[in-house]
Amino acid sequence: NAGVTQTPKFRVLKTGQSMTLLCAQDMNHEYMYWYRQDPGMGLRLIHYSVGEGTTAKGEVPDGYNVSRLKKQNFLLGLESAAPSQTSVYFCASRPPVAGGRSTGELFFGEGSRLTVL
Amino acid sequence: DAKTTQPNSMESNEEEPVHLPCNHSTISGTDYIHWYRQLPSQGPEYVIHGLTSNVNNRMASLAIAEDRKSSTLILHRATLRDAAVYYCILSNTNAGKSTFGDGTTLTVKP
Repeated sequence: NAGVTQTPKFRVLKTGQSMTLLCAQDMNHEYMYWYRQDPGMGLRLIHYSVGEGTTAKGEVPDGYNVSRLKKQNFLLGLESAAPSQTSVYFCASRPPVAGGRSTGELFFGEGSRLTVL
Repeated sequence: DAKTTQPNSMESNEEEPVHLPCNHSTISGTDYIHWYRQLPSQGPEYVIHGLTSNVNNRMASLAIAEDRKSSTLILHRATLRDAAVYYCILSNTNAGKSTFGDGTTLTVKP
């Protein structure tokens, strides 16, 4: 199994350009997440989804949009990139917490490094 | 959301035990305690989890306070490869939101 795959892994944008990061998981997980991590900082939740067709705002949603049209994919879009969005972006997925059947362990992708000039 | 609080950094000597604390005073009865670690230039990886009882696995042990308001991740013999940022988070049975704090940066000295 590939687990959680993020594309692209690296991208350089100019201010004002748009782009989409793709996250794909093959574990049939209901929940998916996008985080950003700035140097020396922890992960901050941007948006998340608890199922196909549903999305919700996290801690730092401004400047980003997301879509979950298919259960296995979670897209993160930047409509007009700003230098403040330079960061490493991590996608994660997990099943719901369900007692003995699942503990809700998060599975992460390898990250996507975005630089906005 | 129930939040967790961890020290910013800790140091350990190689081959000595390490105890990484986490406070979660607003934990609810349906919250699982999860620990992850993040090695340099990698995504976080699962370490261990627990609900009420202490837990052991091949990577670490998790000691949970009786009132569940705090927990401690125990690395029995730290190695240089254990140098990482360790995160303690809560996963709720009824909510999808999963947030991280800044974690504890563990430095292991040879």
